[in-house]
Amino acid sequence: GDSVTQMEGPVTLSEEAFLTINCTYTATGYPSLFWYVQYPGEGLQLLLKATKADDKGSNKGFEATYRKETTSFHLEKGSVQVSDSAVYFCALSDQQGGSEKLVFGKGTKLTVNP
Amino acid sequence: DAEITQSPRHKITETGRQVTLACHQTWNHNNMFWYRQDLGHGLRLIHYSYGVQDTNKGEVSDGYSVSRSNTEDLPLTLESAASSQTSVYFCASSPGLGLNQETQYFGPGTRLLVL
Repeated sequence: GDSVTQMEGPVTLSEEAFLTINCTYTATGYPSLFWYVQYPGEGLQLLLKATKADDKGSNKGFEATYRKETTSFHLEKGSVQVSDSAVYFCALSDQQGGSEKLVFGKGTKLTVNP
Repeated sequence: DAEITQSPRHKITETGRQVTLACHQTWNHNNMFWYRQDLGHGLRLIHYSYGVQDTNKGEVSDGYSVSRSNTEDLPLTLESAASSQTSVYFCASSPGLGLNQETQYFGPGTRLLVL
């Protein structure tokens, strides 16, 4: 079945550092791809999404590009802030049998120090 | 503003008791989902529904049940709570139609402790 693999965490960075969180996927068909963010004590929030190959999703300074050739959707931010400390989840839409479920990676915890 | 709410936010119960967690959304979304979140496992799907009277099992459905009698609510019932069901539970909904049909919107979570 479809699956998502994220880089293992935790990731610790200093403020203003460059962030990359790797995400690769296995899927039949052409799934949509998502990044969700979970701040401490809260539910998941949609951060960005891309629905087809070469699309770039962006929000709050974060970007990710849907790369079909490498089956990847890596999350990047040029300069992280302390307020970006959270757990980040990569996900894809399950295309099998008309399902509208999302398949999530295990999450990557990011800590940004001042 | 439309939203998705969960209640209670925190619950302590004893082994063997029946527990029901509420989920209510005001977006009029067709699809609703229940997940549990545990360290090392990420999010795991328990049950989901694509509309009124429709329910489906997810990957970890044993010991849980849901019912969908209206569009707004999908309560999750633990028939006989077990310590292995101590977890944080998240409800989510998605439109099921239109451009953002797959995008899921999450509630704030319920932290459940089974003693």
